Amino acid sequence: DAGVTQSPTHLIKTRGQQVTLRCSPISGHKSVSWYQQVLGQGPQFIFQYYEKEERGRGNFPDRFSARQFPNYSSELNVNALLLGDSALYLCASSWDPGVQAFFGQGTRLTVV
Amino acid sequence: QKEVEQNSGPLSVPEGAIASLNCTYSDRGSQSFFWYRQYSGKSPELIMSIYSNGDKEDGRFTAQLNKASQYVSLLIRDSQPSDSATYLCAPNAGGATNKLIFGTGTLLAVQP
Repeated sequence: DAGVTQSPTHLIKTRGQQVTLRCSPISGHKSVSWYQQVLGQGPQFIFQYYEKEERGRGNFPDRFSARQFPNYSSELNVNALLLGDSALYLCASSWDPGVQAFFGQGTRLTVV
Repeated sequence: QKEVEQNSGPLSVPEGAIASLNCTYSDRGSQSFFWYRQYSGKSPELIMSIYSNGDKEDGRFTAQLNKASQYVSLLIRDSQPSDSATYLCAPNAGGATNKLIFGTGTLLAVQP
């Protein structure tokens, strides 16, 4: 079975631009969560979606938004990019919130 | 007080020794606990989950949980150089979101 897949793997954007990151969960998993990991820190929770509904949002500005599609795939959008948004963005899927979650390979975003 | 505290390391152990990684957490509502391994530049990989007090063994790995003390640990027996990585402790937050709360991780270096 395929694991969690994220695209793109690497991305370079200019300050002020917008970016969309994509995630396909493991087949059968209905929950998708997004995390941001900056160098030297643990991942920080951004969003969780379950059955296409937002279940939680972390302490991130409104420039960050996400959605989950009927096939349970998900997109994370970040508007008005700042240099500080440079990080590894991780998607994790699980069949239900609270049980073990599996991460994709991540999207490394660099804002210049 | 940080929500999840881990010694950042590096924890250096000789090949074949037991590596002991420790983690304390502040949220008494946490019910599920996970250990992830993260190689440099890669995404976190789930290696252990534990849900009840006591020990859980899986191959060379043993997770230990003490909810009264808000303490979880990971033992790695017969450590190998390939175990050299950052180990992330991640309790879930409980509630509707069940988001994972990560510590900064402990860097383990296994010396050949």
